[in-house]
Amino acid sequence: DIVMTQTPLSSPVTLGQPASISCRSSQSLVHSDGNTYLSWLQQRPGQPPRLLIYKISNRFSGVPDRFSGSGAGTDFTLKISRVEAEDVGVYYCTQATQSYTFGQGTQLEIK
Amino acid sequence: QVQLVQSGAEVKKPGASVKVSCKPSGYTFTDYYMHWMRQAPGEGLEWMGWINSNSGGTNYAQKFQGRVTMTRDTSISTAYMELTELRSDDTAVYYCARNPAAIRAFDCWGQGTLVTVSS
Repeated sequence: DIVMTQTPLSSPVTLGQPASISCRSSQSLVHSDGNTYLSWLQQRPGQPPRLLIYKISNRFSGVPDRFSGSGAGTDFTLKISRVEAEDVGVYYCTQATQSYTFGQGTQLEIK
Repeated sequence: QVQLVQSGAEVKKPGASVKVSCKPSGYTFTDYYMHWMRQAPGEGLEWMGWINSNSGGTNYAQKFQGRVTMTRDTSISTAYMELTELRSDDTAVYYCARNPAAIRAFDCWGQGTLVTVSS
């Protein structure tokens, strides 16, 4: 199984400041079809997860443009340009190149 | 808009079975695979498997093989996940989620169903 490792596990951020979460996979996420199936989910307290980013860097419908994704191969990053109060929650990276696995989650909190 | 509505919370005794339903709206049920995940209290997400809503074909995570069965009823556009031989560590919120083949990402989630296993 592909193991997804996120850092940090907790990220205290000041409102209006940027935030960054890293995700590393135990093997390359490049699929035989040429795509890289790495996505990011946000889970607000008491809510189901919500899709933010798919295929590394594509923002899902309705996702604010302060969220961006980047990376390639085994190393990926989610960035929030200016954190807002509604961004508090847990963020998960997910791979769907070989079966499906999730990172452990990163708790984003306001300082 | 696309929505997935799951059945309500369940309390089960160890050794029992539970069957959770997931009814989508806003799209053609048979056009998409349905996946099931779970999340134990205070923990992360765990993928359990998928069902091809059209053919009924399934693929289960190895951890759940032999204990999980995913089915669907196309006449009422509903997907089901049944887990047998419940143990206390099966206590979790169970989610269904749609995963379009073009993006291979979970783009719509049910609200979750809490299953509590307790004697």
